[in-house]
Parts: sequence; structure tokens; C-alpha cells
Amino acid sequence: RKEVEQDPGPFNVPEGATVAFNCTYSNSASQSFFWYRQDCRKEPKLLMSVYSSGNEDGRFTAQLNRASQYISLLIRDSKLSDSATYLCVVNPLGSNFGNEKLTFGTGTRLTIIP
Amino acid sequence: SQTIHQWPATLVQPVGSPLSLECTVEGTSNPNLYWYRQAAGRGLQLLFYSVGIGQISSEVPQNLSASRPQDRQFILSSKKLLLSDSGFYLCAWSDLRGNSGNTIYFGEGSWLTVV
Repeated sequence: RKEVEQDPGPFNVPEGATVAFNCTYSNSASQSFFWYRQDCRKEPKLLMSVYSSGNEDGRFTAQLNRASQYISLLIRDSKLSDSATYLCVVNPLGSNFGNEKLTFGTGTRLTIIP
Repeated sequence: SQTIHQWPATLVQPVGSPLSLECTVEGTSNPNLYWYRQAAGRGLQLLFYSVGIGQISSEVPQNLSASRPQDRQFILSSKKLLLSDSGFYLCAWSDLRGNSGNTIYFGEGSWLTVV
């Protein structure tokens, strides 16, 4: 089993729709979780951290399910500008440690259709 | 605010030629610095990380090397490039002490094509 696994997609979603995708991780001791957004041929950019209690930032909601070892990202009222690849990132270490153990998923490609 | 820059953005190099990618961070001191490579259809692979000047840890054996001659400067090098070195190279930083916690931030990336 891969350490971090994502459905590569592509997810083709009409503008205004709600879309959700999950990311599973294999290390049950993982401590920190993130979603990054990567546009074509650009660097990944932090979208949001994922907290145990779940968190929301505008149209984006991230949730963590430790029992089933997955995180999710929900995008409501999708915009054309949401088209990108979304990377799931997992850190098995605590927040006081470095990021040398960060594990990146291969990403889920999302295309919003007008 | 903190910024990170890397260059060159794009380069095409013949097999066997040397490589030098440079990365600098501004607005912070003693950051953790990282070099990643992203191959098509694959997740980011950590190549090197550094917790201080002259301190380099290598994650993957390869014909690449890294150096940190100054606190906020990180360099990726190769003496002789292989075709398999082609890819998207990303420099990144993190700062455990600030509000960023253990969040990692990336430079703009460098596209390397070895021909």
C-alpha cells in the first residue's frame, strides 16, 4: 500500500457544483495533514492545513478521519479558477519536527467545466 | 513576509553537462531548506534537506549534490547530468519557530530537460 494515495482523476465538474475527494494514508501515527494546490507547470501552494476537528476556509472544507486514515477536501460552488491538481500531504512527525518525512500524494486533477 | 526564489526557471542541458540550481529565502533566518524533484505522474521526491549552514542530508542516492554556503542559500548541483535527471525541481523552506509551524513553502520551480 502506498504511504499516501489519491485518486488521480481527472474529475470534470460543472461550474457551481460541489466536488469532494479523499486521500488515504498508511501510517497511523501521522500527525500533520495538508492540502496543496498545484497549477500546471507551477509550484505547489498551500491550500489549507487539516485539523482534527475539521476546518473550513470559504468554499473549501477539509476533514480528517483518523479511524479510517483518510483526509478529505470538499469544494463548494466550484469556480473555473479551481481547476488544478490537488496534492495531499502527510507528515508522520509532530509539529515541532522538520518536514523531511513529508509524504506527497501524486495529486487529484480537477477540471471545472463552464 | 518570507519569500523564496529559485533559478533558472527552465533549462535544457546535454547529457554529461554540469548543473547548478540556486535558491534563496528572504524574510526569515535559519530556515530548514529542501530540494525536491517531481517526475511526471509521480509525487514529490525529497532529494536533500538542510537544517543549517553546511548541514546537508541526502535522501536518495543519485548523481546530484547540494550545498548550503549561506544561511538562506541552497544550491543543487551535478557534475554530469543523466537523461533520468530530467524533471521539475523545487526548492522549499519551512520554519518551525514561526506561525508557519511545520508548513512547507515552495519556490517557483526549475524545469530541467536533459537531452
